[in-house]
Amino acid sequence: AQSVTQPDIHITVSEGASLELRCNYSYGATPYLFWYVQSPGQGLQLLLKYFSGDTLVQGIKGFEAEFKRSQSSFNLRKPSVHWSDAAEYFCAVGALSNDYKLSFGAGTTVTVRA
Amino acid sequence: SQTIHQWPATLVQPVGSPLSLECTVEGTSNPNLYWYRQAAGRGLQLLFYSVGIGQISSEVPQNLSASRPQDRQFILSSKKLLLSDSGFYLCAWSVRRGGDTQYFGPGTRLTVL
Repeated sequence: AQSVTQPDIHITVSEGASLELRCNYSYGATPYLFWYVQSPGQGLQLLLKYFSGDTLVQGIKGFEAEFKRSQSSFNLRKPSVHWSDAAEYFCAVGALSNDYKLSFGAGTTVTVRA
Repeated sequence: SQTIHQWPATLVQPVGSPLSLECTVEGTSNPNLYWYRQAAGRGLQLLFYSVGIGQISSEVPQNLSASRPQDRQFILSSKKLLLSDSGFYLCAWSVRRGGDTQYFGPGTRLTVL
């Protein structure tokens, strides 16, 4: 079965500083990997996804993520955080063999301080 | 472009009352449809998914049921709500063939008192 771990429940970062959110997955074959962002009381918005090819993927809002098979990780990064990046971030894994059903991590809440 | 709607946005219901949450998708045909529940600090739990009209797969046995009466309509129901049914309910859709990426609706906040 596929699973996702987001080790950091809450991260506080200063505006303008860099941000890295960790995601580790468990799956036997090559997974499909996603990062979503959720503002309070809202649905989830897709930031980026990895299916195959280049292991460094670019997303919206200046985010990028790197797939590292050897570490079973798919960490999300942003070089310079804006106050509007304060939200909850979810990593998810899916697989063709599982009908593309997604398993989500518990989420990381990001607080941005001025 | 595709749009997904959910209503109501918020709902407060007494224990033992029935429930009906609705999700509709516009701008696509034959989508896969999903219901998730989000509890605080626990991520998203897949409740049901559907690959077509009348085809429902349940992921977690519980007090809820789902139906798909039309191609782009997905309904989450309960005959008698429990306190533990409180949470944020999200509907999502994906393309039927090669449907890897899921797109989420705005969600319904359900409080059972």
